[in-house]
Amino acid sequence: QSALTQPPSASGSPGQSVTISCTGTSSDVGNYNSVSWYQQHPGKAPKLMIYEVTKRPSGVPDRFSGSKSGNTASLTVSGLQAEDEADFYCSSYAGNNIVVFGGGTKLTVL
Amino acid sequence: EVQLVESGGGLVQPGGSLRLSCAASGFPFSGYWMYWARQVPGKGLVWVSRINTDGTTTSYADSVKGRFTISRDNAKNTLFLQMNSLGAEDTALYYCARGFYGNSLDIWGHGTMVTVSS
Repeated sequence: QSALTQPPSASGSPGQSVTISCTGTSSDVGNYNSVSWYQQHPGKAPKLMIYEVTKRPSGVPDRFSGSKSGNTASLTVSGLQAEDEADFYCSSYAGNNIVVFGGGTKLTVL
Repeated sequence: EVQLVESGGGLVQPGGSLRLSCAASGFPFSGYWMYWARQVPGKGLVWVSRINTDGTTTSYADSVKGRFTISRDNAKNTLFLQMNSLGAEDTALYYCARGFYGNSLDIWGHGTMVTVSS
């Protein structure tokens, strides 16, 4: 049950796009289309932004998109806005009823 | 309003026990898988446990297996986490969350803090 690997930080200027990676293995990210992404602002509970690799829950702006290639999933935030500054976490189903999270990425809007 | 409210956290001595509760409202609780996750303040999220709709299937992170027990009371719309043999490494903010498609978690509570210290 190893954590998925995310870069500790990412940044971009308002209006730009930024992509956050989430690297797992062939036992989790690479084997299931069950990658999710969460946004967490300081002192707040996490918020689901992407599920099943590419799907957005109702209410999540289409500036947020997800993808996957092999053992690596990615979250892209387009048209960066100040309110996008937050911590982002990926998660994946890892088989045997186990779920694993990534270590988190702090997104800074410059 | 769809809501999850955790309770039961607090200060406990090493080796002690604690039972967390999560009261659900605004949705048909019995129809959803439920999860516990935890987060050390300033650190990342960690999945702890999950339970299926009728409580017959449970799973745990290796770090808590054998010490924690997840359960639910569908009649009372409540999720539980019984935590035994607590150690300092269990100190964290504990969240309950509702399962959604693809093993995602779409509704989260605000968490209850557990501190293990002498």
